[in-house]
Amino acid sequence: GQNIDQPTEMTATEGAIVQINCTYQTSGFNGLFWYQQHAGEAPTFLSYNVLDGLEEKGRFSSFLSRSKGYSYLLLKELQMKDSASYLCAVREHDYKLSFGAGTTVTVRA
Amino acid sequence: ETGVTQTPRHLVMGMTNKKSLKCEQHLGHNAMYWYKQSAKKPLELMFVYSLEERVENNSVPSRFSPECPNSSHLFLHLHTLQPEDSALYLCASSQDLGRGAGDTQYFGPGTRLTVL
Repeated sequence: GQNIDQPTEMTATEGAIVQINCTYQTSGFNGLFWYQQHAGEAPTFLSYNVLDGLEEKGRFSSFLSRSKGYSYLLLKELQMKDSASYLCAVREHDYKLSFGAGTTVTVRA
Repeated sequence: ETGVTQTPRHLVMGMTNKKSLKCEQHLGHNAMYWYKQSAKKPLELMFVYSLEERVENNSVPSRFSPECPNSSHLFLHLHTLQPEDSALYLCASSQDLGRGAGDTQYFGPGTRLTVL
């Protein structure tokens, strides 16, 4: 089976940086996704990594190390609207995504 | 707005009721999915359709019955549910059942289901 681990909760101050780690143990690997989900809303796609390294998209960056089974999502210049749940998901051999339980990020003023 | 809509957004039903959840995608995608999201648990894949054919039935109880009449619409028919079926039911779509970045799954806002 799949094992996707990420912290349950994180708290940070507005304007700060937060790093959400995700570790995985899967029988195969064909990409890692990060989604953002505000309470009561759809998970929205943030990033996709399939090769090692850092992908940057504005204030959000995602890093992948396939040899370590590790990824992180970096949120810079935090804003109140970034308070949400962040989901890490791994795609193994085919189209199926295995999700972590999500990390709830709370941004405080 | 992700291009995937779901109705109703909230549903309360008794264990003897029959109801249906509806999903519609406006993205021109060929694959659609049903997921169950329970509090503090990972999303669980329930069903997958590709070009209106079911390709995945992930050991889901028969009280959940999916239907995909065309590539834009997906239904989940519910009957004789149990209280433990209370959860957020999410629909998603992707271009195809591929392995590339272009086959990212896009989600609808979900239906919050409560079974009394």
